[in-house]
Amino acid sequence: GAGVSQSPRYKVAKRGQDVALRCDPISGHVSLFWYQQALGQGPEFLTYFQNEAQLDKSGLPSDRFFAERPEGSVSTLKIQRTQQEDSAVYLCASSLGLSGSSGANVLTFGAGSRLTVL
Amino acid sequence: AQSVAQPEDQVNVAEGNPLTVKCTYSVSGNPYLFWYVQYPNRGLQFLLKYITGDNLVKGSYGFEAEFNKSQTSFHLKKPSALVSDSALYFCAVRDRSRDFNKFYFGSGTKLNVKP
Repeated sequence: GAGVSQSPRYKVAKRGQDVALRCDPISGHVSLFWYQQALGQGPEFLTYFQNEAQLDKSGLPSDRFFAERPEGSVSTLKIQRTQQEDSAVYLCASSLGLSGSSGANVLTFGAGSRLTVL
Repeated sequence: AQSVAQPEDQVNVAEGNPLTVKCTYSVSGNPYLFWYVQYPNRGLQFLLKYITGDNLVKGSYGFEAEFNKSQTSFHLKKPSALVSDSALYFCAVRDRSRDFNKFYFGSGTKLNVKP
């Protein structure tokens, strides 16, 4: 597609429920990132994929968070047993090149998925 | 540790006046520096980047930014503000020598341009 597409745009979950957030990156983009943006804050890195390989998951806040990109295109961020502190906007971004070889690559962001945990 | 500071939560400026949004950074190596803008209910949009070369970089919508290595700053500027520039602006840094995959973002500065 022309841009990075994320769904759902809005998700309300009861505490303890599992949620899945989807990201459809720009076709052909090798690198895919997930960021978490709390209210009034800048985006915080969660995890990074290069094609289907998850090369860095150091930003995932707990083992309740899991991300995958099985075919190197669409990615899913899953949050198990949601807690109120998980409420945030989850941003997906993609870039064309391999991150290590061209660190200047620009990220293209999706509009985000706003998760509210009650 | 890598970090970005945007010391102003909010900047107010009258339309037609010059604007500056401040950013300082801390990285262990040499930086790639970026500015992004976020409109309500929209994703972050790329404005400009500094990679190497001329310290003054020009970007979209008439914005520019000046890289100052000695002051570790990368302030965003525009000679004449428009009401439509009102948005949330984020500075970001990427360390060339490590953590290639990570962008570190500042907390954002809300720009208000009054008619």
